[in-house]
Amino acid sequence: GAGVSQSPSNKVTEKGKDVELRCDPISGHTALYWYRQSLGQGLEFLIYFQGNSAPDKSGLPSDRFSAERTGGSVSTLTIQRTQQEDSAVYLCASSLVGRGSNQPQHFGDGTRLSIL
Amino acid sequence: EDQVTQSPEALRLQEGESSSLNCSYTVSGLRGLFWYRQDPGKGPEFLFTLYSAGEEKEKERLKATLTKKESFLHITAPKPEDSATYLCAGGMNSGYSTLTFGKGTMLLVSP
Repeated sequence: GAGVSQSPSNKVTEKGKDVELRCDPISGHTALYWYRQSLGQGLEFLIYFQGNSAPDKSGLPSDRFSAERTGGSVSTLTIQRTQQEDSAVYLCASSLVGRGSNQPQHFGDGTRLSIL
Repeated sequence: EDQVTQSPEALRLQEGESSSLNCSYTVSGLRGLFWYRQDPGKGPEFLFTLYSAGEEKEKERLKATLTKKESFLHITAPKPEDSATYLCAGGMNSGYSTLTFGKGTMLLVSP
């Protein structure tokens, strides 16, 4: 079956511009996560959605970052007024059940964001 | 603070040379220890979940084990196609649903 799909796969933009990254989770997965992976660093949690509950935004690094999930499926991560330190690979994952669960998260191939 | 530490950072093996990767964790209320494989330019691919000390899981040349403080990923007679970065992550039950990832071990298997 189809896995987690992310688009675009690569994005190059100028400092100060806004960017939108898209994630289409595995069908039927109610939990959706966004992570950031920088060179030489581990995956950094950004935000988590579970069903119709309020998202857990505790990992967002600044108020320039926001995300939404429409209809319990597709999610969009938006970065406003991009800075060079925002350059990283942004990974999306989904799982069958969220909070407190042992269900593995399944990842997309990420969006590689480069800020010039 | 919950933490996951992997060692070594990088490992180079000859084809057929068995070895182990280490993942030590200080995650309160561990609800699962996850191993992933990540190829360059790809997202992490799920390998195993371990739930309790003493548990072992195997898949082809890989075997994952878990103690109360660490997990090992044993690679038996590796092949060049096993070359990848292996990530370890701890799942918590502290009300936070996400995984705490280590920085990974980059494995290179030479023919």
